[in-house]
Amino acid sequence: AQSVTQLGSHVSVSEGALVLLRCNYSSSVPPYLFWYVQYPNQGLQLLLKYTSAATLVKGINGFEAEFKKSETSFHLTKPSAHMSDAAEYFCAVRAAGNKLTFGGGTRVLVKP
Amino acid sequence: GAVVSQHPSRVICKSGTSVKIECRSLDFQATTMFWYRQFPKQSLMLMATSNEGSKATYEQGVEKDKFLINHASLTLSTLTVTSAHPEDSSFYICSARLAGVRLAGGRGGTDTQYFGPGTRLTVL
Repeated sequence: AQSVTQLGSHVSVSEGALVLLRCNYSSSVPPYLFWYVQYPNQGLQLLLKYTSAATLVKGINGFEAEFKKSETSFHLTKPSAHMSDAAEYFCAVRAAGNKLTFGGGTRVLVKP
Repeated sequence: GAVVSQHPSRVICKSGTSVKIECRSLDFQATTMFWYRQFPKQSLMLMATSNEGSKATYEQGVEKDKFLINHASLTLSTLTVTSAHPEDSSFYICSARLAGVRLAGGRGGTDTQYFGPGTRLTVL
């Protein structure tokens, strides 16, 4: 069975600082991994996805994530945080039947 | 592209009534849609998989007679919460699967789920 763990339910960063959100996965098969962002009272927006092509995946809004098989990780980064990055971020792994299993989410607070 | 809409965005109803939520894929056809439930400050929990032209598949612990799902067309799935009670109050989110490139091994390729904006249900 596939699962994901997001380390840290809350992350606080200063505007302009590096954003690093951690995601570790468990999968019995090569995984397909996703990062989604959720703004308050809204649905989820796809940031980026890993589908076994390049291990460094670039997404929208300046985010990128690196797939590291040896560490079973898929951490999300952005070099310079913006106030508009304040949101909840979810890592997900695709399981059988195209179902997604989500991590617990990480809420990002950006300080001016 | 790949836009999914939900209607209504908010609904307040009395206990015992039924509420229908619509999920539409606006610019693509989706043979599969998914319904999730999200409690405050929690992650998304998959409730059921909705397949066009066939019965929905429910996750363990989800009452199929309470949460009726109909996937009538390739662009519309509906979730009806029957005889709603206050404990059914939640944020309901749907997603639609956009089929991607098929890869060797038949593992679904680059299929991606696109999510609707969610429906906030409050049962009084």
